[in-house]
Amino acid sequence: AQKVTQAQTEISVVEKEDVTLDCVYETRDTTYYLFWYKQPPSGELVFLIRRNSFDEQNEISGRYSWNFQKSTSSFNFTITASQVVDSAVYFCALRHTGANSKLTFGKGITLSVRP
Amino acid sequence: DTEVTQTPKHLVMGMTNKKSLKCEQHMGHRAMYWYKQKAKKPPELMFVYSYEKLSINESVPSRFSPECPNSSLLNLHLHALQPEDSALYLCASSLRPDRAWGEQYFGPGTRLTVT
Repeated sequence: AQKVTQAQTEISVVEKEDVTLDCVYETRDTTYYLFWYKQPPSGELVFLIRRNSFDEQNEISGRYSWNFQKSTSSFNFTITASQVVDSAVYFCALRHTGANSKLTFGKGITLSVRP
Repeated sequence: DTEVTQTPKHLVMGMTNKKSLKCEQHMGHRAMYWYKQKAKKPPELMFVYSYEKLSINESVPSRFSPECPNSSLLNLHLHALQPEDSALYLCASSLRPDRAWGEQYFGPGTRLTVT
């Protein structure tokens, strides 16, 4: 069985603050894939990043960075210098290999960035 | 073009009505998905189509009937729904059903209200 835990439910920051969204996962598989999605108020889930279990390199994309640590089963997401447009619900998700594997989502973190 | 379109954007229907939700993608993706999302919850998988064939049905009530007429189109036929079926219905697609690393691209959703 696989599980994704996003312990933070709601985070509120002031614009330009840095914020880290935590994601902890559980799986028995050695090969799996981790994802982050953003869901703004408009409703559409926007794909942000994918990471496979063999690639522990951290990644930076503009103001976004991700820290993947297999030793702690975590895949955390940091937004640097947050902006109001970053306000959204952020989901971490896990998928193992196999044709009928499914995305297992965490419960999501609601991020509010105040001007 | 990384777009998944869904129509209608909003739908209000009575419990005796029959309606359909439509989803379209032109990315050449061969896996298509229906998700249901209640407020403040993560998306829940309903159905998966792999190469236009239904591969996963997550024990969804028969009042929801999916259809995949071709590789670009996905429909969800609704009949005799209950008020608790009110939710955001999201369509998604990914390149190949057997490629678990493939990210899913989501449409903007149809916000359904059953009265």
